[in-house]
Amino acid sequence: KAGVTQTPRYLIKTRGQQVTLSCSPISGHRSVSWYQQTPGQGLQFLFEYFSETQRNKGNFPGRFSGRQFSNSRSEMNVSTLELGDSALYLCASSLGLAGVGYEQYFGPGTRLTVT
Amino acid sequence: QKEVEQNSGPLSVPEGAIASLNCTYSDRGSQSFFWYRQYSGKSPELIMSIYSNGDKEDGRFTAQLNKASQYVSLLIRDSQPSDSATYLCAVIEGYSTLTFGKGTMLLVSP
Repeated sequence: KAGVTQTPRYLIKTRGQQVTLSCSPISGHRSVSWYQQTPGQGLQFLFEYFSETQRNKGNFPGRFSGRQFSNSRSEMNVSTLELGDSALYLCASSLGLAGVGYEQYFGPGTRLTVT
Repeated sequence: QKEVEQNSGPLSVPEGAIASLNCTYSDRGSQSFFWYRQYSGKSPELIMSIYSNGDKEDGRFTAQLNKASQYVSLLIRDSQPSDSATYLCAVIEGYSTLTFGKGTMLLVSP
């Protein structure tokens, strides 16, 4: 069974631009969560989508948004990029809602660099 | 503020020894606990999950959970140099989201 895939793997953007990242979950998984990982803050939860609805949201500004499609694929968007948005963005999929205890499996991540 | 605490390390052990990684959490109502391994430059890889008090074994790995003490640990028996990585503890708090500790770096020397 194929794992979680994320595209693109690497991105370089300029401050003020916007970016869209894509995630395809493991076949049959209906929940997709997004995380930001930086050396200083570690892994921080952005949001979780299940059945095309955002179910949970972390403590990030409104510049960070996402959506989920009917095939469970998900995208996240960051508008008006700031230098501090440089990070590894990770997508994780699970059979059901993470909060219920389903195991989450991570994709390879997208490394975003903002200059 | 819900927190998951781990010693950042590095924890250094010789090849063949038992590595013991520890994690404490603040939310007494937490029900689900996970250990992930992350190699440098890679994404986290799920090692195991544990939901009930006691021990859970999977190959060379044993997870231990003590909800009364709000403590979860991971033991790695017969440690190998390939086990050198950062180990992340994650806890579901409030039936909501997965909260990660900042990880413990493990170094296994040949």
